[in-house]
Amino acid sequence: EVQLVQSGAEVKKPGESLKISCKGSGYSFTSYWIGWVRQMPGKGLEWMGIIYPGDSDTRYSPSFQGQVTISADKSISTAYLQWSSLKASDTAMYYCARHASMVTPFDYWGQGTLVTVSS
Amino acid sequence: QSALTQPRSVSGSPGQSVTISCTGTSSDVGGYNYVSWYQQHPGKAPKLMIYDVSKRPSGVPDRFSGSKSGNTASLTISGLQAEDEADYYCCSYAGSYTVFGGGTKLTVL
Repeated sequence: EVQLVQSGAEVKKPGESLKISCKGSGYSFTSYWIGWVRQMPGKGLEWMGIIYPGDSDTRYSPSFQGQVTISADKSISTAYLQWSSLKASDTAMYYCARHASMVTPFDYWGQGTLVTVSS
Repeated sequence: QSALTQPRSVSGSPGQSVTISCTGTSSDVGGYNYVSWYQQHPGKAPKLMIYDVSKRPSGVPDRFSGSKSGNTASLTISGLQAEDEADYYCCSYAGSYTVFGGGTKLTVL
């Protein structure tokens, strides 16, 4: 069974760093792209970027380029989304999702990680 | 890049049909047959309902159908059921990235 299991909810202060994770199982982790999607409170889905764990090829949305870093450790089938300095506006639910290629849809999703940034 | 344009809300009675539109540009919706639709219930992760404009994943009822004309894609839900009440998002490949629509809240009256 394909599963994407994300790390738990986080509460951070502005300026702090954070790295959240997404662990894949039940499929060949290095053969599928993992994407990250933001959903701010009460708002829609936003595509942030994707990574191909097989060779770490990474693509970012222009809106998120330079704001976050996407990485993966294929030895433990885990993808990451990280911030070096959080802002209150980073408060959101973050989902990871899998797709076979840049043009295929996200077919499996993680359960989401809620990130709250507040002083 | 701008989000694809969807109506904020649509509604219909059980058994009726509703259509949700998704308008983009020739750089996304109009340029590729890679439009997908996701259903999201409150507090849940999105679920893939339609991909490649009109294909249904296994397990998705055939009441859900998709189409595209020019820069506008559409999701039609026929025979509305109470459990169809949810938010729906379109999504399109746009060359070097992917873009979502703003989302449409479907209310089943």
